[in-house]
Amino acid sequence: EVQMVESGGGLVQPGGSLRLSCAASGFTFSDYCISWVRQAPGKGLEWVANIRPDGSEKYYVDSVKGRFTISRDNAKNSLYLQMNSLRAGDTAVYYCARDTMTPAHSFDHWGQGTLVTVSS
Amino acid sequence: DIQMTQSPSSVFASVGDRVTITCRASQGISSWLAWYQQKPGKAPKLLIYAASTLQSGVPSRFSGSGSGTDFTLTISSVQPEDFATYYCQQTNGFPLYTFGQGTKLEIK
Repeated sequence: EVQMVESGGGLVQPGGSLRLSCAASGFTFSDYCISWVRQAPGKGLEWVANIRPDGSEKYYVDSVKGRFTISRDNAKNSLYLQMNSLRAGDTAVYYCARDTMTPAHSFDHWGQGTLVTVSS
Repeated sequence: DIQMTQSPSSVFASVGDRVTITCRASQGISSWLAWYQQKPGKAPKLLIYAASTLQSGVPSRFSGSGSGTDFTLTISSVQPEDFATYYCQQTNGFPLYTFGQGTKLEIK
């Protein structure tokens, strides 16, 4: 069974940092692109970042470029999101999601999410 | 960047009704569109990919159509468990993705 479990969320002050983790199991992690998707309270979904299976290429939404860094450790079946210079607008539930790696590139498995709250 | 616009923002329906939700892309995306269902407090669930292909395990009352810039998600006969929020997502811009703003299906 495919499972993805996020952790690392919490309350952080503006300007602070946080590192999220996503532990994957039930599939060959190193074969898949993985994305981070976030959802602000009461709002819609926003794709944040993704990373190629071998970690060679990384892509970000403009609003987090230069502040967030996505990475992975295929030996540990884990995905990470280092978030620096956090702003109130980054407050959201953060999900990791698996890309199907077909031409359709949809997200067929998601974690349960971890809440990040940026507030003083 | 490709922008996705869903309409309506909310729709009211009764059990058994036929419901259609529309998603429009700011530029042509061929058939690279997915639909998700999200219930409160839960992660999104993939319903349809490549505009019209039903994900395994999804009931056949859900269907998708369209190509280019205009797409629809149809629920042929709404069931109680279908009341949720639905999102479209363009995947043509891989590895850069965009979601629509969501459509909330509510009980009439």
